[in-house]
Amino acid sequence: EVQLVQSGAEVKKPGESLKISCKASGFSFSSYWLGWVRQMPGKGLEWMGIIYPGDSDTRYTPSFQGQVTISADKSIFTAYLHWNSLQASDTAMYYCAIPKVAPDAFDIWGRGTMVTVSS
Amino acid sequence: EIVMTQSPATLSVSPGDRATLSCRASQNVSSKLAWFQQKPGQAPRLLIYGASTRATGIPVRFSGSGSATEFALTISSLQSEDFAVYYCQQYNNWWTFGQGTKVEI
Repeated sequence: EVQLVQSGAEVKKPGESLKISCKASGFSFSSYWLGWVRQMPGKGLEWMGIIYPGDSDTRYTPSFQGQVTISADKSIFTAYLHWNSLQASDTAMYYCAIPKVAPDAFDIWGRGTMVTVSS
Repeated sequence: EIVMTQSPATLSVSPGDRATLSCRASQNVSSKLAWFQQKPGQAPRLLIYGASTRATGIPVRFSGSGSATEFALTISSLQSEDFAVYYCQQYNNWWTFGQGTKVEI
């Protein structure tokens, strides 16, 4: 079964660092682009960026460039989203997704990781 | 950046009704258009890709149409489980979502 399993909810303070994960199974992890999507509380979906685990080619939506780092370790089939210094505005649900059914059509999604940043 | 605009913001309907949701792109996206359904507490689910192709396991009551800058998602006969928020997304030039349409009773 094709699956993306995301790490558990996090509660952090402003200024702290954080890395959340998305572990893949049931498909060739290195061969599919993997995307990250943000959903702030009560709001819509925002595309953050993508990574190709095969060669770690990474691209960002301009508004997220420099705010987060997307990475992957293909040896353990896991992608990551990393913050150096969290802000309250990073409070959101974060989803990872891959396009299994067709190129660029992201049909397989993780269940999401809720990140809460509060002092 | 390609801006996706969905209308209406909220659609009030009854079970059994036909519902049509609209999505407009600020530039030509060809047929690189997807529709997602999201229920509270759940991840988005892909319904339609390529503007009109149903994803695996999606009921036939969901259909997509359009090309270039004008798209629509039609639910032919609303079931109780269809009440949710629907997002369009273009993937012709990067990926951008519309702001969503809430389908409510």
